[in-house]
Amino acid sequence: ETGVTQTPRHLVMGMTNKKSLKCEQHLGHNAMYWYKQSAKKPLELMFVYNFKEQTENNSVPSRFSPECPNSSHLFLHLHTLQPEDSALYLCASSQRGIQTAGELFFGEGSRLTVL
Amino acid sequence: KQEVTQIPAALSVPEGENLVLNCSFTDSAIYNLQWFRQDPGKGLTSLLLIQSSQREQTSGRLNASLDKSSGRSTLYIAASQPGDSATYLCAVGGGSARQLTFGSGTQLTVLP
Repeated sequence: ETGVTQTPRHLVMGMTNKKSLKCEQHLGHNAMYWYKQSAKKPLELMFVYNFKEQTENNSVPSRFSPECPNSSHLFLHLHTLQPEDSALYLCASSQRGIQTAGELFFGEGSRLTVL
Repeated sequence: KQEVTQIPAALSVPEGENLVLNCSFTDSAIYNLQWFRQDPGKGLTSLLLIQSSQREQTSGRLNASLDKSSGRSTLYIAASQPGDSATYLCAVGGGSARQLTFGSGTQLTVLP
């Protein structure tokens, strides 16, 4: 138990569906992140929120839409995805300092399959 | 641009062996380095975080060292057990989340 909870753990969707991934952290951290992990590739940073404000968008396609209503919750809204978007989506949180991202704590991930 | 390399990509050892996993990075201007463990289909579990001012960190059978000048970190696992089988990733931290760069990992198998 890392203090970061992701739901659902598994999701299968068609290319025309709309779905959302949810992340909740119970660690009192001020920053939350979405990462994408594809087979045989290093983790890719997608979005960063610091105190609910988006501070990084790593050139992610608009079919991925993040939402951070408060410092404890983070969503990733998905629509009109492509099969190549199938991956493990990981949420993380940290207590950011002035100069560093801080130690990252990850959730268990949401395994997404796009048919 | 920071590049992080982990060698070997895969490692298989018999139970009880002491082993070393390697992580190298190209830009020595880092703030910290973090080692993670990932079990198949699961998220990442933080093992050790070393600040740039530190040389090493220890937790149980794990010891991580950092040599900024040479751009290297090692994760030492003592008396390995089958339960240690997982993929181990290192991540090098700069001044922002964008500068947190992950290696591709070393897949460790400890044979009973």
